[in-house]
Amino acid sequence: DAKTTQPNSMESNEEEPVHLPCNHSTISGTDYIHWYRQLPSQGPEYVIHGLTSNVNNRMASLAIAEDRKSSTLILHRATLRDAAVYYCIRTSYDKVIFGPGTSLSVIP
Amino acid sequence: DTGVSQDPRHKITKRGQNVTFRCDPISEHNRLYWYRQTLGQGPEFLTYFQNEAQLEKSRLLSDRFSAERPKGSFSTLEIQRTEQGDSAMYLCASTRGGGTEAFFGQGTRLTVV
Repeated sequence: DAKTTQPNSMESNEEEPVHLPCNHSTISGTDYIHWYRQLPSQGPEYVIHGLTSNVNNRMASLAIAEDRKSSTLILHRATLRDAAVYYCIRTSYDKVIFGPGTSLSVIP
Repeated sequence: DTGVSQDPRHKITKRGQNVTFRCDPISEHNRLYWYRQTLGQGPEFLTYFQNEAQLEKSRLLSDRFSAERPKGSFSTLEIQRTEQGDSAMYLCASTRGGGTEAFFGQGTRLTVV
């Protein structure tokens, strides 16, 4: 049980921002929100994670709703190399469970 | 440290044979996870270790599957009497602890013929 819901697929034009949504309405107070992405034929790659506050790193930004029931991964300028499956995961101090993720296509 | 490494990268075996995969986590990471991934699906959790202790096993991990992590370092995943349905990518990941970022290996792709 992944306990998160994401759209199956999304499209973006190259060089434009991308907002990938995730719902995690049953999140508990100790659950972190993690995002991973997986390129074809590779293992998943960590993107970003947060608990309550918005987070920024060199790859992306994570915007977390005030009630923590949803979050959005923001890629500021999509490139062709960002085409991947993006997984939103809620995890506490237990195992990491993946859902089906969002397949992001980037159009040149 | 070059990250999580898995060996072999590819394995083709005949149905009924036993196979063993190895995962070397990042050295200071005390948690190690195994996942299975089939085409078009997200990784499915199989089991995880905290140091040498196996803390949880998924129902996906039938009696033919066994995992070990002696001394809390590398881990092995063995599949006995392989079946065609075992064909998948087997992924290993490690973390410093629960809630922290997980680092994945490139996976071992198993094909059972």
